Amino acid sequence: EDQVTQSPEALRLQEGESSSLNCSYTVSGLRGLFWYRQDPGKGPEFLFTLYSAGEEKEKERLKATLTKKESFLHITAPKPEDSATYLCAVPRGDSSYKLIFGSGTRLLVRP
Amino acid sequence: KAGVTQTPRYLIKTRGQQVTLSCSPISGHRSVSWYQQTPGQGLQFLFEYFSETQRNKGNFPGRFSGRQFSNSRSEMNVSTLELGDSALYLCASRRDRANEKLFFGSGTQLSVL
Repeated sequence: EDQVTQSPEALRLQEGESSSLNCSYTVSGLRGLFWYRQDPGKGPEFLFTLYSAGEEKEKERLKATLTKKESFLHITAPKPEDSATYLCAVPRGDSSYKLIFGSGTRLLVRP
Repeated sequence: KAGVTQTPRYLIKTRGQQVTLSCSPISGHRSVSWYQQTPGQGLQFLFEYFSETQRNKGNFPGRFSGRQFSNSRSEMNVSTLELGDSALYLCASRRDRANEKLFFGSGTQLSVL
């Protein structure tokens, strides 16, 4: 069964304290892994797409990496404005176009 | 370029009523997907429309339905509302390809009393 699991469920960091979020997935024939950021009361905002193991992408303080079984979202020297829920998603392994989302990691960065 | 627009932003209904939510995709996007988001279940796929045809459907009861118009705008309908239907309903669009990122709207927050 196609599945996406994110950990930790919640993470509290001090401003400047770097950390990583994990997204492990089980899907046949990976056709991409997506990272989104969601602020309270808003829709998810696209961050990155990764397609193959070893691929890395960066945006400001965020860096996403991909292996054959999981993806990491590294946050370097976070700021309070990085506080949000981070979601990862993969397309199902069948011919459908459904995205399977993980339950997310709620990140709180304190000043 | 305007993003995905959803209306209304907030909605309060009572059990047994029905509701229609509206979504305008990004110009040029022909695929529209709907997701339900709740604290307990997270984001769950409802259905996807492309060129006025439902392409995929999630595991929701028949009370949940949708349609897409020739201008790609989409509506979602929920009949005979139940308390458990309270959720944030998100619409997302993309040009088409399966591995292409989704652009989400801000959602409609539905509360069923």
